Amino acid sequence: NAGVTQTPKFQVLKTGQSMTLQCAQDMNHNSMYWYRQDPGMGLRLIYYSASEGTTDKGEVPNGYNVSRLNKREFSLRLESAAPSQTSVYFCASRRGHTTDTQYFGPGTRLTVL
Amino acid sequence: DAKTTQPTSMDCAEGRAANLPCNHSTISGNEYVYWYRQIHSQGPQYIIHGLKNNETNEMASLIITEDRKSSTLILPHATLRDTAVYYCIVKGYGGGGNKLTFGTGTQLKVEL
Repeated sequence: NAGVTQTPKFQVLKTGQSMTLQCAQDMNHNSMYWYRQDPGMGLRLIYYSASEGTTDKGEVPNGYNVSRLNKREFSLRLESAAPSQTSVYFCASRRGHTTDTQYFGPGTRLTVL
Repeated sequence: DAKTTQPTSMDCAEGRAANLPCNHSTISGNEYVYWYRQIHSQGPQYIIHGLKNNETNEMASLIITEDRKSSTLILPHATLRDTAVYYCIVKGYGGGGNKLTFGTGTQLKVEL
């Protein structure tokens, strides 16, 4: 039981390049989330998926797109990376039905030059 | 979701109990208190949560005051590996788009 896994762990992009961050969970959770964390700050929600086939915007969705590929996988895409998107990205999944407990992956550290 | 207030930082000697306070004076009756921690550069880790009663698990104890306006997370025998930022989050089930709002938390430093 690996929990929540993310790939890649590190990535450096040039401004304007695109990339997809991958996230998978093996806990059979319905809900999945993408957060970003900038240095010295708390986490901010980018997008979430309450269930397979649905996605919704969070606090900071601009510049990102998401795909809930199936119940296990939730990807985050940067179409045209900008230096302001330099951050650590965390994926999480939620056990749900009676609790809001979320379980987080190890993060992807992204630098946009 | 109710706002929380935590001290910016705390120190604790290894082996002693670490008591981390959180004020949530505007908490509503259906809102839970969650505690997470984030060890440097890692993803946040769930610790414990509660509604009204005190809770205990293998990691920690959560003490919620009778009026529910504040709570304390207790790590009974802190170790160096407990050095982390601890977040207190108050949230109603399913509310707020299901997101967890992380503030700046309390930086706990456990020292020899």
